[in-house]
Amino acid sequence: GDSVTQMEGPVTLSEEAFLTINCTYTATGYPSLFWYVQYPGEGLQLLLKATKADDKGSNKGFEATYRKETTSFHLEKGSVQVSDSAVYFCALSLIRGLTDSSASKIIFGSGTRLSIRP
Amino acid sequence: EPEVTQTPSHQVTQMGQEVILRCVPISNHLYFYWYRQILGQKVEFLVSFYNNEISEKSEIFDDQFSVERPDGSNFTLKIRSTKLEDSAMYFCASSSQRAGIGLSNEKLFFGSGTQLSVL
Repeated sequence: GDSVTQMEGPVTLSEEAFLTINCTYTATGYPSLFWYVQYPGEGLQLLLKATKADDKGSNKGFEATYRKETTSFHLEKGSVQVSDSAVYFCALSLIRGLTDSSASKIIFGSGTRLSIRP
Repeated sequence: EPEVTQTPSHQVTQMGQEVILRCVPISNHLYFYWYRQILGQKVEFLVSFYNNEISEKSEIFDDQFSVERPDGSNFTLKIRSTKLEDSAMYFCASSSQRAGIGLSNEKLFFGSGTQLSVL
């Protein structure tokens, strides 16, 4: 079935380090891909998305490129900050039908906890 | 930015009791969702809701679960007879577009969750 596998955490880095969190997916069809972030005590927030192959999503210095050939959507940031400490979830969604009533779902990975040391 | 609100933030209940988790989605949204996350595990889809009926549900969403939009603003998840394994963080979400159709403005807004503990 459809699934998302992401790098297990926790990941601990020093401020200004380079970040990569790996994510691969399995899906029938052509999913949209997402990274969601959950800051302490808050809900899930969309960080970035890509809806087709070779698209690059970017936001707040984070980037991820939709790689169909490797079924991957790795999250990267060139220089992390303490404020980036959070749990990051890779996710996908698929079209389930042609009518509005066939609302689809988002499938999440298990999450990667990121801690940044000052 | 508008937000999805969930109450209560924490709920403790005895096994076998009924609980109702409440959510107020963003006012002009049409699609509503419940997800849950058992501690240390994945965020799992439970159910999606559109036009006053369930659109899709997962195998987790059995007869013990039900959803309702009683008054046009609230969206509730009821667990009829809670089990120990229902202990989890429950997230409500809403969207203006159907998720998965690849629109540029496709986005789910999540609440901050209700932590349910079944003793």
